[in-house]
Formats: sequence, C-alpha cells, structure tokens
Amino acid sequence: SQWGEENLQALSIQEGEDVTMNCSYKTYTTVVQWYRQKSGKGPAQLILIRSNEREKRSGRLRATLDTSSQSSSLSITGTLATDTAVYFCATDNQGGRALIFGTGTTVSVSP
Amino acid sequence: EAAVTQSPRNKVAVTGGKVTLSCNQTNNHNNMYWYRQDTGHGLRLIHYSYGAGSTEKGDIPDGYKASRPSQENFSLILELATPSQTSVYFCASGDHSYQAPLFGEGTRLSVL
Repeated sequence: SQWGEENLQALSIQEGEDVTMNCSYKTYTTVVQWYRQKSGKGPAQLILIRSNEREKRSGRLRATLDTSSQSSSLSITGTLATDTAVYFCATDNQGGRALIFGTGTTVSVSP
Repeated sequence: EAAVTQSPRNKVAVTGGKVTLSCNQTNNHNNMYWYRQDTGHGLRLIHYSYGAGSTEKGDIPDGYKASRPSQENFSLILELATPSQTSVYFCASGDHSYQAPLFGEGTRLSVL
C-alpha cells in the first residue's frame, strides 16, 4: 500500500467541537485529496491540496500537506451532526489514472 | 445530470457461482474504476479502464475480471465467487484522478 498509518481510526465528538484527522503516505505524490463518505453512499471529494500548497481551505474545512514528512491532515471547525461520516485521504497511483485511498477515519458528531 | 449507476444494489451469491456487477455512467468519462470496501481496509482498487476495450489491474485483481465494452459500461466479473469476496463494491468514473471521480452508490455482495 502507498499509505501508511491513518491516525485515530474513530472519533466521537459533540456538535460545535473541532476535529483533526491525519494520514501519512509512503510514495511521492503531487496531490492529496480528502473524501467524505456518508452511510450508504459512495465517497465524495471534499478538498484537493497540491504539493506546492501547504494549506488549503474550503468553508469549515482546512487541509494541510507536509511533503517533507509525507503527511496530510484535515480539520473541520464547528462540527455539525451532518459531518458524521468516514473521511478518507487519497492520492493517485503511478500515472495519475486512479485514486488510492487510505483506510479512513470514522467521525461521529452528536447533536 | 452526471451519474454513475450500479446494478444490482444487493446480491446474494453461492460459493463457486458466477457473479457479474454492472456499472453505467452518463458522464462521457474516459476512465472507470471498480473498488471494494471492507472494514479496516478502506477502498481498494480492483480494476480500472482508460476507455472502451481497455482494462487494467489495480491493487487487488486476483479473483476478478473486468470488461469495458463501451464508453458507458464497465462490468466486474467474479467467475468463481468465494466468501472472501463478500464486500461492498463501488464503481466510479472520471477523466483523471485529480478531477474527483464520481462514485456510484455501491453494490452489497454476499457470497454464501
């Protein structure tokens, strides 16, 4: 696998709290993507961060990428119950033709 | 509206039987993908395709075949299904991995 550990496999938090999840990758990549998967649905992209970007924001989401340590994080501020989902980091295989996913972090947000 | 449609949505098969999972996309995307999802493993790439007539092996192709007869359709075939292939299977389409492939809603397969 080109993915290393994804820290914190499952998190349970209250609405309004902030949450951060991490993943590390083994092989060089120019892009890391974060996906969210809600129960019974396929994954949907949240944010894409390139190797020349250290940080990327989209609404309540913030992604970081540290190419020196080959790690990425996703933070959600002011969580809502609707943020309950599994979150995956992903990068591309050689040639950029297909996405390779990490094992995911389950986030449960209680109202 | 862009869409990826999988059929069937649920399937129960017997060990040793043949199973075909179908995927149709209306997005005119060149690339299509099959993943399986298991607890603790995330989504793992089985096969993918660059276009009609092409198939490529992903990370876990053993026990699976794929067929891309047209731009719109991509099938995953289990010639001799085994209980270890019990899983949720997702199809996706995209033009490039950077462009956020669209995923179908999944097929839940149980092999008894």
